[in-house]
Amino acid sequence: QQQVKQSPQSLIVQKGGISIINCAYENTAFDYFPWYQQFPGKGPALLIAIRPDVSEKKEGRFTISFNKSAKQFSLHIMDSQPGDSATYFCAAVAEANNLFFGTGTRLTVIP
Amino acid sequence: NAGVMQNPRHLVRRRGQEARLRCSPMKGHSHVYWYRQLPEEGLKFMVYLQKENIIDESGMPKERFSAEFPKEGPSILRIQQVVRGDSAAYFCASSPGTAYGYTFGSGTRLTVV
Repeated sequence: QQQVKQSPQSLIVQKGGISIINCAYENTAFDYFPWYQQFPGKGPALLIAIRPDVSEKKEGRFTISFNKSAKQFSLHIMDSQPGDSATYFCAAVAEANNLFFGTGTRLTVIP
Repeated sequence: NAGVMQNPRHLVRRRGQEARLRCSPMKGHSHVYWYRQLPEEGLKFMVYLQKENIIDESGMPKERFSAEFPKEGPSILRIQQVVRGDSAAYFCASSPGTAYGYTFGSGTRLTVV
């Protein structure tokens, strides 16, 4: 049973465009929602995270939008660059225990 | 600060052999988590350990898999009598106390031939 559903599975964006990745969850006990970036052959690295008491968090070109009532959250990458090409995972944490990951989105930014 | 160290980076085993994967957490981190990543899939939680204790092993297969985090030394994920389906990337993460501060290692890629 997938605790966190992520879409799309893959995404191709032109350089300078906006990349949008969506996630949804059911467990209302989740209280922390991080996004991880993974390059081939590397481990996931924390990119940005949000708690459900805010609706948006922005760090540089990366923004998380959070809709608590819909139990959905999304990652927006503004001015996407070829160096952003990677696999992105959303995740959720409940009660400070293990992370539940989405299935990942492979982003390709075309020059 | 060397980060989370996993070794080996690549491991090839024949069916029926044992695989031992090691994870040294970041300095100051006493919580270790193991995840498995199959090709084109997300990361699946396997086990959560603190020093000398297994806190949550709900994601561990019931047979052939075991994990430990001794008082001294790295955390070990052991897979006995490996099968082809065990081929995957195994990632270790550590945190100082909760899942809010995860740092992942670079993983061990296990290939069973």
